[in-house]
Amino acid sequence: DIQMTQSPSSLSASVGDRVTITCQASQDISNYLNWYQQKPGKAPKLLIYDASNLETGVPSRFSGSGSGTDFTFTISSLQPEDIATYYCQQYDNLPPTFGQGTKVEIK
Amino acid sequence: QVQLVESGGGLVKPGGSLRLSCAASGFTFSDYYMSWIRQAPGKGLEWVSYISSSGSTIYYADSVKGRFTISRDNAKNSLYLQMNSLRAEDTAVYYCARPPLREKEYFQHWGQGTLVTVSS
Repeated sequence: DIQMTQSPSSLSASVGDRVTITCQASQDISNYLNWYQQKPGKAPKLLIYDASNLETGVPSRFSGSGSGTDFTFTISSLQPEDIATYYCQQYDNLPPTFGQGTKVEIK
Repeated sequence: QVQLVESGGGLVKPGGSLRLSCAASGFTFSDYYMSWIRQAPGKGLEWVSYISSSGSTIYYADSVKGRFTISRDNAKNSLYLQMNSLRAEDTAVYYCARPPLREKEYFQHWGQGTLVTVSS
């Protein structure tokens, strides 16, 4: 199975800060990488697909980049409603696998 | 709009069985692959299984292979997960999820989840 390693596991930032999360795959996954947001008690929500494409309706402060094994997810200006856990997920190979998550909190 | 509603979760003893259902609406169910994904309490996400639009192609995570069976009834717009020989480590919220058209292994729409607790 492809292992997905996210860092950091948690972070605390101020409203308006730029927040960056990285995700590393254990092998080349091209751009078959998605990012999800999960708020407490809720189902995950797809934010970014194919590494850098913004899902319809998702605010433009969210972005993604990368290919191969190294990927980055960015919130350009953190908002209070962005408090959540963020997961990367690869779908290059079966089984699809997720990173362990990054919990984002407000400082 | 797309709606996925899971049901069937509950408390079951180790070794027991449970059948989860997912009722789909707002889209042509028979056109889409469907998946089950689970999340143990306080833990991350784990894909469990997927089934093709016709039901002819099925894959399972190694952790559930031989114990869980995914199925669908396109006439009833429903997805199922039969879970047998349940273990404590199967305790989780189980989500059904739908990909975009012609995709399989990523998850554009999710249900609200149903909690399965395996405990004596």
